[in-house]
Amino acid sequence: KAGVTQTPRYLIKTRGQQVTLSCSPISGHRSVSWYQQTPGQGLQFLFEYFSETQRNKGNFPGRFSGRQFSNSRSEMNVSTLELGDSALYLCASSLDEGSYGYTFGSGTRLTVV
Amino acid sequence: AQKITQTQPGMFVQEKEAVTLDCTYDTSDPSYGLFWYKQPSSGEMIFLIYQGSYDQQNATEGRYSLNFQKARKSANLVISASQLGDSAMYFCAMRVTGFQKLVFGTGTRLLVSP
Repeated sequence: KAGVTQTPRYLIKTRGQQVTLSCSPISGHRSVSWYQQTPGQGLQFLFEYFSETQRNKGNFPGRFSGRQFSNSRSEMNVSTLELGDSALYLCASSLDEGSYGYTFGSGTRLTVV
Repeated sequence: AQKITQTQPGMFVQEKEAVTLDCTYDTSDPSYGLFWYKQPSSGEMIFLIYQGSYDQQNATEGRYSLNFQKARKSANLVISASQLGDSAMYFCAMRVTGFQKLVFGTGTRLLVSP
């Protein structure tokens, strides 16, 4: 079966711009989580969606937002980009609440210049 | 709050040898799950092994085993018969039941030499 698909793989943006990243989970998976990975802060949880509802949110400013569509695909948006937003953004999908089977995508590497 | 500690920034092992990657955790919740992931340079997080807090036996998956010592709050990953393809970053993570988020450690970079 197809894995978790994240697009685009690489992105270069300028400070002040906004960006939208996409994540298509494994077919049948209803939970999608997003993580930011940086050399300084490591892997940090951004938010998690289940059946189009945000259930958990990490400690990130309001510039970071997301949504989930009825087909479980998810997008995350970062507005007014800052240099510190440069990171690998990873998406993980899981079957449903309580499942421990998280499958990650290959990530989107965002560079802000 | 949950916390994962990985004290080994880097480990070096020769091919075919076994290696143990350390992980300690901290949580006051009785129900939780512990994970190990491998991250090659491509960036993808690859699931290796899972241990539930109520599991009586240590988890095993092929060459991977998890040495779970609940009283010590440790969940070390043991890789037997290392292969060159095992060279990567390894992350220990925890999820508390009821919260759909993983808390990760800082990772250990493993280098396997011929």
